Amino acid sequence: QKEVEQDPGPLSVPEGAIVSLNCTYSNSAFQYFMWYRQYSRKGPELLMYTYSSGNKEDGRFTAQVDKSSKYISLFIRDSQPSDSATYLCAMRVDYKLSFGAGTTVTVRA
Amino acid sequence: GAVVSQHPSRVICKSGTSVKIECRSLDFQATTMFWYRQFPKQSLMLMATSNEGSKATYEQGVEKDKFLINHASLTLSTLTVTSAHPEDSSFYICSAISVSTDTQYFGPGTRLTVL
Repeated sequence: QKEVEQDPGPLSVPEGAIVSLNCTYSNSAFQYFMWYRQYSRKGPELLMYTYSSGNKEDGRFTAQVDKSSKYISLFIRDSQPSDSATYLCAMRVDYKLSFGAGTTVTVRA
Repeated sequence: GAVVSQHPSRVICKSGTSVKIECRSLDFQATTMFWYRQFPKQSLMLMATSNEGSKATYEQGVEKDKFLINHASLTLSTLTVTSAHPEDSSFYICSAISVSTDTQYFGPGTRLTVL
């Protein structure tokens, strides 16, 4: 079993829709939870970073963490074609990151 | 924001040659840098952790003699793929931790193609 499970998709939504992404994990030692966005042939870009259960909002992005269920989510409101990318969840113990497989999202104009 | 650069961005080499990839933190000091590889449509896999002034720590299954890592200063780490073979073709990405923000920043990646 992988430490971090993420459905690779692909996921296609119309412009303006809400994009819902999620990951599950098995390692209770994970301390920090992140979402990265990666465009084709580029390095990952940090979107959201949290370390506690609950919701965190930043503009159109909302990250949720449920440590009791070992489940994290990312919601993108009012999605735009420019949001089309691969979204990776990542979890951290000390300074080591474990990544999910990444979900490829396409927002159709 | 913090910037991490990689050089070269793309390299094509013949089988059996060695290739060096540089990772630099441009506007912050990084005592710790990481090297990842990513195959097409797959996630990032951590190869090794690089600490300034000490030997790198390699993940299980990564050959330390094949992937040489040097972290000579607080802003530079290098990865040398020795005697490269076609199966080493991949996207190599480095990251660096900013001590001041406790955040890991990623470089743009280096695409290695071994013919």
